[in-house]
Amino acid sequence: NAGVTQTPKFRILKIGQSMTLQCAQDMNHNYMYWYRQDPGMGLKLIYYSVGAGITDKGEVPNGYNVSRSTTEDFPLRLELAAPSQTSVYFCASSGQELSYEQYFGPGTRLTVT
Amino acid sequence: GEDVEQSLFLSVREGDSSVINCTYTDSSSTYLYWYKQEPGAGLQLLTYIFSNMDMKQDQRLTVLLNKKDKHLSLRIADTQTGDSAIYFCAEVTGGGNKLTFGTGTQLKVEL
Repeated sequence: NAGVTQTPKFRILKIGQSMTLQCAQDMNHNYMYWYRQDPGMGLKLIYYSVGAGITDKGEVPNGYNVSRSTTEDFPLRLELAAPSQTSVYFCASSGQELSYEQYFGPGTRLTVT
Repeated sequence: GEDVEQSLFLSVREGDSSVINCTYTDSSSTYLYWYKQEPGAGLQLLTYIFSNMDMKQDQRLTVLLNKKDKHLSLRIADTQTGDSAIYFCAEVTGGGNKLTFGTGTQLKVEL
């Protein structure tokens, strides 16, 4: 199993540009999550999904959109990039374990200038 | 949202014990976690504790839970240079499947 994969690893965007961060998991997990990590701030939940076709906002959803058309994929869309979206983005997934363990991808480092 | 709090930095000498502390917010959290993040990588689950336990030991790791004070700690015995990383505590919130993470503690192990 590859686990949780993310592409790209790095990206530089100009203000106002758009992009999609890709996330895929091969563990047949129902739950998937997008976080952003800023220095000294921990991880903040952007959006999450409890299954294909179902998504919901997390703590910091403004400026982002998601979709979940399949169990495996959970892309994150930035429509009009702003410098405040410079961050490291992590995708995670979890299954039906009682411990709710989340499995993380390696992250995408995004810079908006 | 409410914050899960951790100190930002901890420096220890190789071979010593490290203790990383966390204060969480939700007294109804069923599980509490410790995740490790190595440079340039995602988070990896180290260990977790169920809320009806006071202590959990797993090789060099000991987790202590004080529910009255909402305090969680991670003790790493015989700390090695490979333990240098950022350590996050996290609690289950919102009815399950969502986690709230602390700000992370950067552990530096010196020779």
